[in-house]
Amino acid sequence: DQQVKQNSPSLSVQEGRISILNCDYTNSMFDYFLWYKKYPAEGPTFLISISSIKDKNEDGRFTVFLNKSAKHLSLHIVPSQPGDSAVYFCAATAGTYKYIFGTGTRLKVLA
Amino acid sequence: DAGITQSPRHKVTETGTPVTLRCHQTENHRYMYWYRQDPGHGLRLIHYSYGVKDTDKGEVSDGYSVSRSKTEDFLLTLESATSSQTSVYFCAISESRGPVYGYTFGSGTRLTVV
Repeated sequence: DQQVKQNSPSLSVQEGRISILNCDYTNSMFDYFLWYKKYPAEGPTFLISISSIKDKNEDGRFTVFLNKSAKHLSLHIVPSQPGDSAVYFCAATAGTYKYIFGTGTRLKVLA
Repeated sequence: DAGITQSPRHKVTETGTPVTLRCHQTENHRYMYWYRQDPGHGLRLIHYSYGVKDTDKGEVSDGYSVSRSKTEDFLLTLESATSSQTSVYFCAISESRGPVYGYTFGSGTRLTVV
C-alpha cells in the first residue's frame, strides 16, 4: 500500500514557466514533508521541507504548499530553468526519522 | 558533499552469491539507512540503524541483512543474491536533531544480479 503517491511519472515545462509537482498521502499521522531532487547517477539531495503546522514554505524559486484536509502537497518552481530537469521525490514522516518516499516525478524543462 | 561514501559504485554479481555493500560516513550521525530505488517504486527502506549494533527492518528487508559495528560504517549484505535484487542502492544518514533536516544521501551503488 503506497502511503505517499506521485501520480505523474513525468512532466515537461517550458523554460521560464511554472512547474507544479504533486504528491498525495494517505497517512494522517504524517507531520513533516520534504522534497528531494535527484540527478542521474547521483544521490537525492534535499530541496525544501514543510511542517504540518504550516500550509506554505518558500525558498527562492521553490515553494511547497500543504493542504492537510486533502492530504496533498505540491512543489512549485518559478521560473523553471533547464537545470531543474531532474527526478523529484516527495517524502513524509510521522515524527520519526524514517521517511516514506513517493515514486518520483521526472521533470523536463525545455529550453 | 556531507562525507558519506558508498562502495562499490557498480557491481555485477551472479545469482546465489553473497554481496556486501558498504556505507561510510564521516559526519558522526547517529542514524543510517539503506534504501533501494526501482522504477515505479521510488525509494524503499530496506533497513536502518539508530546506533552502533542497533538496527531494524524497513519495508523491503527480506533477503537482506545489515550490520553496524562502528558509528561510521553501515554494511548491507545480500546473503544469496537474486535477480529481483538488481537495483540502485542508496545509503543515507541523518542527524538526531529532528526530522527537519531529512537525510543526506550517498551517490548510490548500482547492483546487477545476473
